[in-house]
Amino acid sequence: DGGITQSPKYLFRKEGQNVTLSCEQNLNHDAMYWYRQDPGQGLRLIYYSQIVNDFQKGDIAEGYSVSREKKESFPLTVTSAQKNPTAFYLCASSDVRGGGMRPSDTEAFFGQGTRLTVV
Amino acid sequence: AQKVTQAQTEISVVEKEDVTLDCVYETRDTTYYLFWYKQPPSGELVFLIRRNSFDEQNEISGRYSWNFQKSTSSFNFTITASQVVDSAVYFCALRGPQQGAQKLVFGQGTRLTINP
Repeated sequence: DGGITQSPKYLFRKEGQNVTLSCEQNLNHDAMYWYRQDPGQGLRLIYYSQIVNDFQKGDIAEGYSVSREKKESFPLTVTSAQKNPTAFYLCASSDVRGGGMRPSDTEAFFGQGTRLTVV
Repeated sequence: AQKVTQAQTEISVVEKEDVTLDCVYETRDTTYYLFWYKQPPSGELVFLIRRNSFDEQNEISGRYSWNFQKSTSSFNFTITASQVVDSAVYFCALRGPQQGAQKLVFGQGTRLTINP
């Protein structure tokens, strides 16, 4: 089945460690996104990528890094510079071949998320 | 700047009651898109509906209906005859007219609990 797979589902990080969250999609979507979800704050955009080898900062990029070496994959690294990394992280993808204006472009598909906890 | 406000943090009703989730948005764009997503306990966000700023017709899909009012910058979501399976967190979201990647601005979410 087509979809977005995030792994692991739960991740524990020690203070000062970098950790990488995996996101893979087989929907043939060009655009991929990382959101962070905190209780009572909704989802906030960390990074997004519209094409392979290109990505842009979102609203809360500090302390995070990404790469987009393959169309299917958009891993997120939470670095030790991120002061409060405990959160629920959601990856998404969307089809933008119509420039983002077609109905089929406007639905973003989400993975099941990774819950990161600092211990 | 764009902003989405869902003033209701939590709502709890008894099964079969009707319930309305409020969404108020702010944007300076004349073209924009509004969305509702459902987040069940499993965590993923499920797309429910998209509405563009030029289409103010209300929409009904089964027990779900949406009321879009540009005059009050609101895009409210009503569930008729609620069921326990409707229990979830619901998010309203907004994006501007830019082409390409969808940068969505989300509201804080409303946790809906339907009690049997």
